[in-house]
Amino acid sequence: AQSVAQPEDQVNVAEGNPLTVKCTYSVSGNPYLFWYVQYPNRGLQFLLKYITGDNLVKGSYGFEAEFNKSQTSFHLKKPSALVSDSALYFCAVRLRGGTSYGKLTFGQGTILTVHP
Amino acid sequence: EAQVTQNPRYLITVTGKKLTVTCSQNMNHEYMSWYRQDPGLGLRQIYYSMNVEVTDKGDVPEGYKVSRKEKRNFPLILESPSPNQTSLYFCASSSLGTGGAEQYFGPGTRLTVT
Repeated sequence: AQSVAQPEDQVNVAEGNPLTVKCTYSVSGNPYLFWYVQYPNRGLQFLLKYITGDNLVKGSYGFEAEFNKSQTSFHLKKPSALVSDSALYFCAVRLRGGTSYGKLTFGQGTILTVHP
Repeated sequence: EAQVTQNPRYLITVTGKKLTVTCSQNMNHEYMSWYRQDPGLGLRQIYYSMNVEVTDKGDVPEGYKVSRKEKRNFPLILESPSPNQTSLYFCASSSLGTGGAEQYFGPGTRLTVT
């Protein structure tokens, strides 16, 4: 079984400061890893993904994420937060093959609030 | 415009009255999926489809049915809705490609079962 944990329900940060939203995962195999963002009353939007290669992945809106295989983590980061980054963030994992290839598992979500 | 559409966007119904939520995508994607979103639980996958006539259970399939007769459509059927199916539902699609393709999500359907 695969699972994703986002240990913080909420993250608060001041505008201009760096932000980190944490994600750890558990799978039996090598995963694809994703981050999605949900703005109020909207569907989810793709931010970035890790498939292979460089452990530091860059995505939309200045976000990046670091894949750490030994710690099974995929933390989302941004060097300088904006008030407009305030939203609900989801980490997700998908296996690369096998009978559960189509299953996508999401974390419970982290509410990011950026204060002016 | 590439998009995933869902209908209806809002639905209030009563226990036991069969309903269908439609989902359609115009990107020729092979993969489609349904999720429900509940506070504190994130998104949980209900069913997914790898292609026409190929469907499989996600993590919370009980009480739901799906069909994939055409590539663009993936309706979600609740044959006898119950109050515990009150939730926000999202449909999503992606290409299969290498498997690492991101999903495109619909705007969501807020369902209330009384």
